[in-house]
Amino acid sequence: DAKTTQPTSMDCAEGRAANLPCNHSTISGNEYVYWYRQIHSQGPQYIIHGLKNNETNEMASLIITEDRKSSTLILPHATLRDTAVYYCIVRASGGSNYKLTFGKGTLLTVNP
Amino acid sequence: DSGVTQTPKHLITATGQRVTLRCSPRSGDLSVYWYQQSLDQGLQFLIQYYNGEERAKGNILERFSAQQFPDLHSELNLSSLELGDSALYFCASSAGTGMRTDTQYFGPGTRLTVL
Repeated sequence: DAKTTQPTSMDCAEGRAANLPCNHSTISGNEYVYWYRQIHSQGPQYIIHGLKNNETNEMASLIITEDRKSSTLILPHATLRDTAVYYCIVRASGGSNYKLTFGKGTLLTVNP
Repeated sequence: DSGVTQTPKHLITATGQRVTLRCSPRSGDLSVYWYQQSLDQGLQFLIQYYNGEERAKGNILERFSAQQFPDLHSELNLSSLELGDSALYFCASSAGTGMRTDTQYFGPGTRLTVL
């Protein structure tokens, strides 16, 4: 799986958009970008994933650059409950690469 | 609520003992994954089962074993426990298609404390 680089921590004001960057410069053509978050010792929660097009769901938007070397997870209106560690994961689809390889992630703190 | 259940929630035991952690996947999911999260190692993949068969192995110790039963629930057995085995153990499940929609959903975890 391609390696990802994320900032260690970020702050965001409640009600504002939180933009979490992720670099994955060695990503291959068939590798997807997945985002999970983990709220204090709870099980990781799936947020969103994408290949090359921008994706949006009820939780967040995922913007992937045209060269696919980086992406940004956007939480449009952050709340205090969005305080968590956010993991950006790149993994191949299919074959034997089913596991998720978690890095250290970004600790997002949403402040009142 | 992801639909994945894990029991027990907490487990406290002594060194040298053996414990069994249980996981029930989401309805319809055929794949089960086990992950370990310790303070110094982060979240690490241990092993994956698909429809009763072992599919992939990660950094799983020989003292640890797992299986997936015909009803698709899975158990992770940890034996000869050491202090360093204290960690959060997560189970995840997915449909097992291997396609782009094969997203893993995690359970709430079992916190194991070895004294």
